[in-house]
Amino acid sequence: GESVGLHLPTLSVQEGDNSIINCAYSNSASDYFIWYKQESGKGPQFIIDIRSNMDKRQGQRVTVLLNKTVKHLSLQIAATQPGDSAVYFCAEKEVPQGTALIFGKGTTLSVSS
Amino acid sequence: DVKVTQSSRYLVKRTGEKVFLECVQDMDHENMFWYRQDPGLGLRLIYFSYDVKMKEKGDIPEGYSVSREKKERFSLILESASTNQTSMYLCASVHEEGAFYGYTFGSGTRLTVV
Repeated sequence: GESVGLHLPTLSVQEGDNSIINCAYSNSASDYFIWYKQESGKGPQFIIDIRSNMDKRQGQRVTVLLNKTVKHLSLQIAATQPGDSAVYFCAEKEVPQGTALIFGKGTTLSVSS
Repeated sequence: DVKVTQSSRYLVKRTGEKVFLECVQDMDHENMFWYRQDPGLGLRLIYFSYDVKMKEKGDIPEGYSVSREKKERFSLILESASTNQTSMYLCASVHEEGAFYGYTFGSGTRLTVV
């Protein structure tokens, strides 16, 4: 099936920098997108979601941008902290009930002090 | 808080054994999912269920089966474990209501088949 991919498998930043994690998706029918954070030894945790009728959504220190024209999704983390070190996954879904999340391969974010 | 519990964090099984991975959610959710997670491959969907006794194949169902006898419990079964099924297995439960999708994952079961 179609899948969601990430541009970079790893990203290293300094504490205090802003981080941008990118994701490309291929299913034009997907209209709901989620970013997850997974710390070592834990299951994925929800960060933020966005619907296809939006192009930007903000949370606490995080912003998700959606560009449907080029099928691109990004997660921006402001003032990155060591606790943000984790694997980040984007996931897509078609909104009608009955479809499952499709995950990308993940980007490992490393934050150094 | 929503809770998804996977019965084992770590399992070691022998090739050919029948393996049961259990997942229980306490939120009365109808939808439950099993994924496996491997380095470089992300999360891949094995099976999912939208109601008791209902199941649907995901992207990689070969070598697996599932059971959903009660709403709160979704079991993943490896009929005859093989070494290529060594992986991290993640269960998720989801609530779909209108425009909101609340996916909650368990902590995972790391299975090693020797």
